[in-house]
Amino acid sequence: AQSVTQLDSQVPVFEEAPVELRCNYSSSVSVYLFWYVQYPNQGLQLLLKYLSGSTLVKGINGFEAEFNKSQTSFHLRKPSVHISDTAEYFCAAQNNYGQNFVFGPGTRLSVLP
Amino acid sequence: DVKVTQSSRYLVKRTGEKVFLECVQDMDHENMFWYRQDPGLGLRLIYFSYDVKMKEKGDIPEGYSVSREKKERFSLILESASTNQTSMYLCASSRQGRPEKLFFGSGTQLSVL
Repeated sequence: AQSVTQLDSQVPVFEEAPVELRCNYSSSVSVYLFWYVQYPNQGLQLLLKYLSGSTLVKGINGFEAEFNKSQTSFHLRKPSVHISDTAEYFCAAQNNYGQNFVFGPGTRLSVLP
Repeated sequence: DVKVTQSSRYLVKRTGEKVFLECVQDMDHENMFWYRQDPGLGLRLIYFSYDVKMKEKGDIPEGYSVSREKKERFSLILESASTNQTSMYLCASSRQGRPEKLFFGSGTQLSVL
């Protein structure tokens, strides 16, 4: 079974500053990696996913993530954040059987004016 | 657009009551999932199903059961609700096989008094 760790429970950052949200995973089989975002009082929606190929993945709203197999990481980055990026961000892993989606505990990003 | 519908947005129940949470998806997805979301713990998988009448335990199945009599409907049952089951419950669905993103419902906030 796989597991997902997000070390930062809360990340405050000023508007237009860069941000990195950290995600590490562990698994005995190949996994596919995802970042989901949950805006206040809304459901979860997919930001981006890594399945194979290029280790740098670009998603919606200017976010990108880099898969690093040796460090078992999939950190999410954005070069310049907006107030509207304030949300909770979840990293997730799915095993290569296409089942068993596992989520990390989430990181609450607060963008300050 | 894929739609995952959870029957209730808010529910208030008493300790010991039997509680049914219903979830319906309209995209003929094979996989369906029930998660609970708690602050600081992220999303934890309760049960999932990859076919009609099939079910698999997730990470925290204790105190819950599920039913999948039809492909589009996946029900979560709390046999005897307890206060520690107060939580946000999220239903999701995905297509079988190769990695697919999860489509989430808007959630049911259950309060057990």
